[in-house]
Amino acid sequence: DTGVSQNPRHKITKRGQNVTFRCDPISEHNRLYWYRQTLGQGPEFLTYFQNEAQLEKSRLLSDRFSAERPKGSFSTLEIQRTEQGDSAMYLCASSPTVQANYNEQFFGPGTRLTVL
Amino acid sequence: GENVEQHPSTLSVQEGDSAVIKCTYSDSASNYFPWYKQELGKRPQLIIDIRSNVGEKKDQRIAVTLNKTAKHFSLHITETQPEDSAVYFCAASRGGSARQLTFGSGTQLTVLP
Repeated sequence: DTGVSQNPRHKITKRGQNVTFRCDPISEHNRLYWYRQTLGQGPEFLTYFQNEAQLEKSRLLSDRFSAERPKGSFSTLEIQRTEQGDSAMYLCASSPTVQANYNEQFFGPGTRLTVL
Repeated sequence: GENVEQHPSTLSVQEGDSAVIKCTYSDSASNYFPWYKQELGKRPQLIIDIRSNVGEKKDQRIAVTLNKTAKHFSLHITETQPEDSAVYFCAASRGGSARQLTFGSGTQLTVLP
């Protein structure tokens, strides 16, 4: 599968614990996005990288959230001191910069987080 | 920031009929409008998109229209089939910089056989 991959696919944790998710974008896609999707809603933007630089962060991204993309390839999203309100599907997407439809964002399967 | 509203939230049609989903956006600087289809438990997948320099785009049974003046865009699916049943999301962005997508709240389309 040459699409965007995410691990783990499911994560159950207790309130107050830290969790980390990983996203592997499509090879050579230099843009990488994180979104959060709750049941019955569209994805909400969290943050965006171009190569290793984090260019935008949503105000939804509280100080408990941190994202990295250290070598401009895979990315990690960490949530510290998880709260029940963090329960959601966390989606990663990637896009290229040099194609006719360069804006298209390709989504991964997501990591479903459940905070008990 | 951008706000995208999508209607209806649910839509049921008979197989073979047409389906129309409408979205409005607030940011006049938005210039890229994709539509994603999300089947239950699966990732969103792009089905069609349109940039602000055109008013309509068609791909087989799917078409999107854009009215920049009114700031609304619509998805049209003709000759619907049961496999078209899914949640459809519209989105908008200032796509020139390939920045964030702002999504609508989704439309659950059910095609009845």
